[in-house]
Amino acid sequence: KQEVTQIPAALSVPEGENLVLNCSFTDSAIYNLQWFRQDPGKGLTSLLLIQSSQREQTSGRLNASLDKSSGRSTLYIAASQPGDSATYLCAVTPTMSYNTDKLIFGTGTRLQVFP
Amino acid sequence: NAGVMQNPRHLVRRRGQEARLRCSPMKGHSHVYWYRQLPEEGLKFMVYLQKENIIDESGMPKERFSAEFPKEGPSILRIQQVVRGDSAAYFCASSPSPLLNSPLHFGNGTRLTVT
Repeated sequence: KQEVTQIPAALSVPEGENLVLNCSFTDSAIYNLQWFRQDPGKGLTSLLLIQSSQREQTSGRLNASLDKSSGRSTLYIAASQPGDSATYLCAVTPTMSYNTDKLIFGTGTRLQVFP
Repeated sequence: NAGVMQNPRHLVRRRGQEARLRCSPMKGHSHVYWYRQLPEEGLKFMVYLQKENIIDESGMPKERFSAEFPKEGPSILRIQQVVRGDSAAYFCASSPSPLLNSPLHFGNGTRLTVT
């Protein structure tokens, strides 16, 4: 059974710091991995989608890497800003044929960036 | 280009009443997914639908819950005879094609409170 874990559960940093959020999954048989951002009381915004054949994806100050064999992904946020404060979720799409229609989510890392 | 629209944003029901949650996918998206986020827990898959078809309902509780996505109109998640444990945020997501290649687009959710 696929399980997704995110560490740390919460993180508080001063503005300007570079930071790394971690995601690990127990079964390396995945099609892709996504990172999402969730603001309080809001839905999820997709940040980056990494296919299983890819090693990383970049969007602006965000860089996500994927090491499928070790079951790990990291989200790197450069020069953090207060507007980055949110909960960050990672999710995998398993490759089992009857499971490819659902995402398995981690419980998230709650990030606070203070001025 | 409107995103995924969910209504109502907040719904309060007394135990035993029915709750109906609506979701209009993004334009051009024919794949709809419902997820539930219980307090202090991650998002859990409930059901995957395409127009007029339930593709995967493996995450739906066996009783009281049902979902539909008719040919015309929004997708509906229906909870009959609600109980306090149904209190959660219910998110709808849509995609133009199956998850293997497309990121999911989420709505802002419906927060159900059962009193």
